[in-house]
Amino acid sequence: DTEVTQTPKHLVMGMTNKKSLKCEQHMGHRAMYWYKQKAKKPPELMFVYSYEKLSINESVPSRFSPECPNSSLLNLHLHALQPEDSALYLCASSQGGDPDEQFFGPGTRLTVL
Amino acid sequence: QKEVEQDPGPLSVPEGAIVSLNCTYSNSAFQYFMWYRQYSRKGPELLMYTYSSGNKEDGRFTAQVDKSSKYISLFIRDSQPSDSATYLCAMSAYSSASKIIFGSGTRLSIRP
Repeated sequence: DTEVTQTPKHLVMGMTNKKSLKCEQHMGHRAMYWYKQKAKKPPELMFVYSYEKLSINESVPSRFSPECPNSSLLNLHLHALQPEDSALYLCASSQGGDPDEQFFGPGTRLTVL
Repeated sequence: QKEVEQDPGPLSVPEGAIVSLNCTYSNSAFQYFMWYRQYSRKGPELLMYTYSSGNKEDGRFTAQVDKSSKYISLFIRDSQPSDSATYLCAMSAYSSASKIIFGSGTRLSIRP
């Protein structure tokens, strides 16, 4: 298995809802990432997990809460989002070594009403 | 000044042409250089990864890095309509589980 999977593909939520995005990889990678991508812009890093521990938080608002239950799984819990949080949320994974190629999933397209 | 500069295009070329995509950067700490291809409404796909100056070839794609000039390029030979996508350069200072800085992306269209 050489891919990163993300569910759901699309998500529409209200500002008071709580939802979660899920990312999974079975390549034995030890680092996993969440990125946010707005239309016609490049991906922007949100969080990095290395060996199941949060290693980088790019000053992301607390309404986004990441979780790494095990080395294959990464979640992003969403609560009280704003319409400007609507974007494509991308998960990536990498071996965690040197060099360290990051492979991306297809993304979850999130719309906040 | 942005850390990574990339011409956003759009760039339109006829099928079969050689395409040249470029990025410049200002941070001399960058050591690892990547090119990603992203189709509309899809995730980025890694095309090339290099960590030294010089050329790296993979099929129709050649990545070129010139650290002294802080300039990287991606060449696509015998371009196909299926190459039409946004191409993102990316780079990082460290390897393992590190932050990648992306260029703004160049939209490429190959005309049949």
